[in-house]
Amino acid sequence: DGGITQSPKYLFRKEGQNVTLSCEQNLNHDAMYWYRQDPGQGLRLIYYSQIVNDFQKGDIAEGYSVSREKKESFPLTVTSAQKNPTAFYLCASSIQSYNSPLHFGNGTRLTVT
Amino acid sequence: GQQLNQSPQSMFIQEGEDVSMNCTSSSIFNTWLWYKQDPGEGPVLLIALYKAGELTSNGRLTAQFGITRKDSFLNISASIPSDVGIYFCAGHGKYSGGGADGLTFGKGTHLIIQP
Repeated sequence: DGGITQSPKYLFRKEGQNVTLSCEQNLNHDAMYWYRQDPGQGLRLIYYSQIVNDFQKGDIAEGYSVSREKKESFPLTVTSAQKNPTAFYLCASSIQSYNSPLHFGNGTRLTVT
Repeated sequence: GQQLNQSPQSMFIQEGEDVSMNCTSSSIFNTWLWYKQDPGEGPVLLIALYKAGELTSNGRLTAQFGITRKDSFLNISASIPSDVGIYFCAGHGKYSGGGADGLTFGKGTHLIIQP
């Protein structure tokens, strides 16, 4: 079955450590996205990539980094510069066409203490 | 940026009741999307709307793209326990360019069903 796989489901880190969240899709979608979800704030766009080897900052990119070396993969690194990293992180993908809907993975809950 | 006002923020209903929620904006949208999110999972697309006035059903769910292009509603008929979750609206604004960087999300409606 095609879909988006995020791993791990739960991640715990000490403050000051970088951590990388995995996102893989086998939907053959060109575009991939990372969102952050906090209670009561909806979804906020961190980074997105419309094509391999290219990515753009979203609304809250500070303290995060990404790479897009393969079409299927779009890992997100939460750096020690991110002031409030504890959150639920969602990866999504879409076909590269106007107004196409997003398909989401099942998320990674990151807790930093 | 564009904002979506989603209401109500939460709903407590009895099993079997009908549910109605909506999203409004001060600006025009080209698409409206409705998602459902179960606890600890990612949002799942329920219905996508692309034309003003469009009315689309998916089982017990019905959604409409408002004529003014500034609002959309989602109705759930005869609610059942598995309808519990958070429902999000999302839309591409008229001037957003059509990519997900121009996709705006509402803050969600928490649906809680009492048996």
